[in-house]
Amino acid sequence: EVQLVESGGGLVQPGGSLRLSCAASGFTFSSYWMSWVRQAPGKGLEWVANIKQDGSEKYYVDSVKGRFTISRDNAKNSLYLQMNSLRAEDTAVYYCARESDFWSGYTKKYYYGMDVWGQGTTVTVSS
Amino acid sequence: EIVLTQSPGTLSLSPGERATLSCRASQSVSSSYLAWYQQKPGQAPRLLIYGASSRATGIPDRFSGSGSGTDFTLTISRLEPEDFAVYYCQQYGSSPRWTFGQGTKVEIK
Repeated sequence: EVQLVESGGGLVQPGGSLRLSCAASGFTFSSYWMSWVRQAPGKGLEWVANIKQDGSEKYYVDSVKGRFTISRDNAKNSLYLQMNSLRAEDTAVYYCARESDFWSGYTKKYYYGMDVWGQGTTVTVSS
Repeated sequence: EIVLTQSPGTLSLSPGERATLSCRASQSVSSSYLAWYQQKPGQAPRLLIYGASSRATGIPDRFSGSGSGTDFTLTISRLEPEDFAVYYCQQYGSSPRWTFGQGTKVEIK
């Protein structure tokens, strides 16, 4: 079964740090870009960061640049998000997601989407 | 930065009715990079549509996507009880890499 399982969430004080993990199984982890997406309480989805298959490219939403670091260990089929200098506005459920490209033989084009998601881990930043 | 605006914010419909959800982009978006997701309370999002109009694996054919340029639509032809949820459009770009719309809630009337 294709699966992503996040862990590492919890309650942390403003300015603190937390490291999230995402364990992948049931597919060739090293073949996919991976993303972190978060959802603040009662709010919509916000993409946070993503990383290329070999870790050579990483991208972040502006609000977390310089504070969060995405990484991966393909030997352990794991994705990570190191979060430093946490703020109250970082409070959210954090999901890891697999990015897939879908080939259409009809249009001869690739299409993109996040087709596998974890169940999420909750991060609360509060004093 | 491309902004995706979804409308309406909330759609109140009865089972069996047709739902039409809109996603408008602030700049032209390649249809290759436009996707739709469904999210139910307490659950992770689920990919419904990619490439603006292709259904993901296991998605019933009552879900369809259309559009191009700046205007995209998700249609649910006949609402089933399990379809009442929040729907998000998403586009893949340069910076930020992925952008979501703010969501449309489809609720039971």
